[in-house]
Amino acid sequence: AQTVTQSQPEMSVQEAETVTLSCTYDTSESNYYLFWYKQPPSRQMILVIRQEAYKQQNATENRFSVNFQKAAKSFSLKISDSQLGDTAMYFCAFMLEGSNYKLTFGKGTLLTVNP
Amino acid sequence: GAGVSQSPSNKVTEKGKDVELRCDPISGHTALYWYRQSLGQGLEFLIYFQGNSAPDKSGLPSDRFSAERTGGSVSTLTIQRTQQEDSAVYLCASGKDTQYFGPGTRLTVL
Repeated sequence: AQTVTQSQPEMSVQEAETVTLSCTYDTSESNYYLFWYKQPPSRQMILVIRQEAYKQQNATENRFSVNFQKAAKSFSLKISDSQLGDTAMYFCAFMLEGSNYKLTFGKGTLLTVNP
Repeated sequence: GAGVSQSPSNKVTEKGKDVELRCDPISGHTALYWYRQSLGQGLEFLIYFQGNSAPDKSGLPSDRFSAERTGGSVSTLTIQRTQQEDSAVYLCASGKDTQYFGPGTRLTVL
């Protein structure tokens, strides 16, 4: 079974600064996807970024980028130029390709952006 | 286009009652998932529908939980004889290798 670990229950950052959220996962499989989702107080789960395991290039989406280290089974999220609207719970998730494609989530990191 | 919608947004019920939660996926998405988010267990997979195939029910916690998907679109998650431990946010998602979530239904069992 796959597991996802987020070792930072809470983090805070000053507005306009950069913050990195950590995620590690455990799998013996080769083909999979990794995701970061954001859940603000509104409860809506929003997709932030997606990475395919076969791609060596790290995914980026505007101010959000990942550092994907396949051998180390590490998938960290970097948020640049943090904004107050980035305040949310962030979940790292793993999806095995070719099965039922269910998501396995970490416990989440609560990020607070301070003005 | 329209995203995933869920209803009701909040549901308060008494222990022992049955509840139905509804999910309307993104148009054209053949894959639909239900997840449960609770304080103690985090986010956990419940059930997966793919087109007309038999659903993957491997995540359902007990036989009090069931779900159906009519016409390959709308899905209903039913919880019979609700217990206090069923209190949670129930999230629906559609899409396969990229899943998009609805706003969830917060269920409170008194």
